[in-house]
Order: sequence, then C-alpha cells, then structure tokens
Amino acid sequence: SYELTQPPSVSVSPGQTASITCSGNNLGEKYVWWHQQKPGQSPVVVIYQDKKRPSGIPERFSGSNSGNTATLTISGTQAMDEADYYCQAWDSRTSHVVFGGGTKLTVL
Amino acid sequence: VQLVESGGGLVQPGGSLRLSCAVSGFTFSSYAMSWVRQAPGKGLEWVSGISGSGGSTYHADSVKGRFTISRDNSKNTLYLQMNSLRAEDTALYYCAKHGGLQLSTATLCDYWGQGTLVTVSS
Repeated sequence: SYELTQPPSVSVSPGQTASITCSGNNLGEKYVWWHQQKPGQSPVVVIYQDKKRPSGIPERFSGSNSGNTATLTISGTQAMDEADYYCQAWDSRTSHVVFGGGTKLTVL
Repeated sequence: VQLVESGGGLVQPGGSLRLSCAVSGFTFSSYAMSWVRQAPGKGLEWVSGISGSGGSTYHADSVKGRFTISRDNSKNTLYLQMNSLRAEDTALYYCAKHGGLQLSTATLCDYWGQGTLVTVSS
C-alpha cells in the first residue's frame, strides 16, 4: 500500500520559517492536501492541490510538491500555528485515501 | 457547510454500531464523502469513502468486510455501519466532505465534522 512519511516533530522560533515535509514514491505525480489540527479540534485544510490556499487561510501558509517530497511552509510562524499537521493524498492503484503520520509543530 | 456526526458510544467487542453524519450548506449528492478516524493520541486514518451518487464505495483494508459506508441523498445523511467491532476500532470518527463527485487525487477532504467517539470495550 502507498505510504506517506512525515517527521514526527518540527520546532521553530516565532517569526521564523517552518518547513514540514511529506515523502512518498513519486508523490509529485499526485496532488497533496495539508490539514492542521489543534488540540481538541477537528482538522482544517490549510493547503489543497499542492499549493492552493482555501479562503480564510493566512498567506504565510504555502505548499509545494515535486519528485518524492511535498512541503508545507509557514513563513513568519506565529504561536497560533502550533498544531499537528497531516498530509493527504490519493492512491489511484488501490483507490484509497492516504494520510501521513502527522507532524507536531512546536513554536518556541 | 455543516457536518454533524452522531451514533457513537460504548460497545462490546464483536458488537455493531451505526454512525450517521447529517450535512447542510451544500448539495450533498454532488460530493463524495469519507469517514476518517483518530484513535486516542494517534494520527488520522482514512476508513471508508463513497461517491456522490453512492455507486462507488471504498474501504480501508483494516475494516473491509466489517464496515459498510452508505448514503441517503434524500436525507442529506452519510452512514457507517460497523460490525464485528474490535478494541482497535476505538477512535473518534469524523465524516469529511470531498471537493467533487468522485474520490480522486484532485478532490480530497475539504471540510470536517466534529466527530463522534466510538469505544469498543467489555
């Protein structure tokens, strides 16, 4: 089955740039979604189709996807961005939705 | 867009439960839907998906043969019938809306409900 791999944790200082990666075989051939989940809350999509931002999501969130790696970048990270982030993709071979294991972003 | 799950609760191993997800704010029949679960302290796990018409359904290997996803477009409601429940099925179950009629690379989850908790224990 298709797997997406994320680092368990990433730390960043306030105002700096955070990068969260998501790796999978030929991932660049698929679209990637990124979801943010704060403690006790439901996930919220912050990036869809690799690099598009839903309305209401701050411009500091951006995405890219090439080769085997997709990246979620948060520029000028704020304390409110501290959350778990999950990448998501579609495995056309099995017709299954796949999630990465999640990355806990700490802003300190 | 609103997604409201219900039907969770405590059930014994081997038992059954049916979850519901009532939706509003969009044309339900025009969008695929999925169930996604999250075990306590763990990550997101996709469980099942269904096309807008209900004609295509998909299930994760971990639940295939035990869970069935369905929908009633006249009632704007998504369902998950869960049979032969196991302790490892204990999780918060979310329903999620997709961005198009079919599950595909271009139409993954764009809205989530609040979840309903399923606990499988004797």
